[in-house]
Amino acid sequence: AQRVTQPEKLLSVFKGAPVELKCNYSYSGSPELFWYVQYSRQRLQLLLRHISRESIKGFTADLNKGETSFHLKKPFAQEEDSAMYYCAPHRSGSARQLTFGSGTQLTVLP
Amino acid sequence: DAGVIQSPRHEVTEMGQEVTLRCKPISGHDYLFWYRQTMMRGLELLIYFNNNVPIDDSGMPEDRFSAKMPNASFSTLKIQPSEPRDSAVYFCASSFYAGPPGELFFGEGSRLTVL
Repeated sequence: AQRVTQPEKLLSVFKGAPVELKCNYSYSGSPELFWYVQYSRQRLQLLLRHISRESIKGFTADLNKGETSFHLKKPFAQEEDSAMYYCAPHRSGSARQLTFGSGTQLTVLP
Repeated sequence: DAGVIQSPRHEVTEMGQEVTLRCKPISGHDYLFWYRQTMMRGLELLIYFNNNVPIDDSGMPEDRFSAKMPNASFSTLKIQPSEPRDSAVYFCASSFYAGPPGELFFGEGSRLTVL
């Protein structure tokens, strides 16, 4: 069965500290992976996708096929990074729907 | 474009009442999704439509839930009768077939409280 796991529901770090939000998936084939973010009082929005190998707002995410992980990382957290983060694998060639992980609420403390 | 528009933003109702949530997708988008967000289970896909046709409703929790998309610019999610455990934030999202896969555009959500 296809599954995505975000093991931490809550994560707190201090401003300036590194942050890593974990995501593990169990998907057949080679999924495409996405991170979505929901800031307070804002819409859920796409943060980044692994295929683009991009860095958005200082965040990067590396797909590790051996560990089947797609952890989201930032070397120096900022208070404005406080938000809910969702990992979402998408099986290539499948329909357009996304299955989201259970989410991690990140709080960056001053 | 104002993006995906949902109404109402907040709904408080009593157990047993009918609840109707509404969604207007982004013009030109041909996929529409209904998700439910709770602290315990995160974001769950309830149902999605392609070109107004329901494709997968396996996430709809019970027969009390129903969704329709009578045209390309409007969809409803109905709960009848509502129960306290239905309390959640319900999101509508849309996407375009020719757009980048995995890019969904979400509405602001409808926060439902069933007393």
